Amino acid sequence: AQSVTQLDSQVPVFEEAPVELRCNYSSSVSVYLFWYVQYPNQGLQLLLKYLSGSTLVKGINGFEAEFNKSQTSFHLRKPSVHISDTAEYFCAVSPFQGGSEKLVFGKGTKLTVNP
Amino acid sequence: EAQVTQNPRYLITVTGKKLTVTCSQNMNHEYMSWYRQDPGLGLRQIYYSMNVEVTDKGDVPEGYKVSRKEKRNFPLILESPSPNQTSLYFCASSHHDLNSVTGELFFGEGSRLTVL
Repeated sequence: AQSVTQLDSQVPVFEEAPVELRCNYSSSVSVYLFWYVQYPNQGLQLLLKYLSGSTLVKGINGFEAEFNKSQTSFHLRKPSVHISDTAEYFCAVSPFQGGSEKLVFGKGTKLTVNP
Repeated sequence: EAQVTQNPRYLITVTGKKLTVTCSQNMNHEYMSWYRQDPGLGLRQIYYSMNVEVTDKGDVPEGYKVSRKEKRNFPLILESPSPNQTSLYFCASSHHDLNSVTGELFFGEGSRLTVL
């Protein structure tokens, strides 16, 4: 089985500062990795995903994440955040050969961008 | 526009009064799923469906029922709601192909349920 740990439940930052949201996973098999974002009063939407290939993945709204197999991590980064990035961010993993039913979510990190 | 539509978006009810939360998707997705979101617990899967007439339990199925009679619809039924089912509920769907990688999940906007 897979598990996901998001190391910070809340991350406050100032506008235009860089941010890193940390995600570690545990799995006995190879996995696919995802970050979803939930803006206030909305459902989740896919931010980016790692399936294979380059370990640096770029997503929407200037976010990127790096897959580190040896450290079993998939941290999300943005060099300069905006007020509009205030949202909750969820890391998720799914095993190879698995479908959406095997997707496991972390507990989320609330990013608050202050002016 | 591709979307997952849930109704109602907000509902306050009382213990024991049966209710149904509807979910409909217009993307011809095979896979549909229900999650509940609670503070500090993240998203937990309630039930999922791989296709019409195929449903299976997720991590927290107790107190819920589902059905999948049509590909586009996947209602969540609470036969006798209790206060511990007060939560934010999300329906999601995706394309499912055994020969492909995990598809992107598309989420509805959520249904906030309060059981008094």
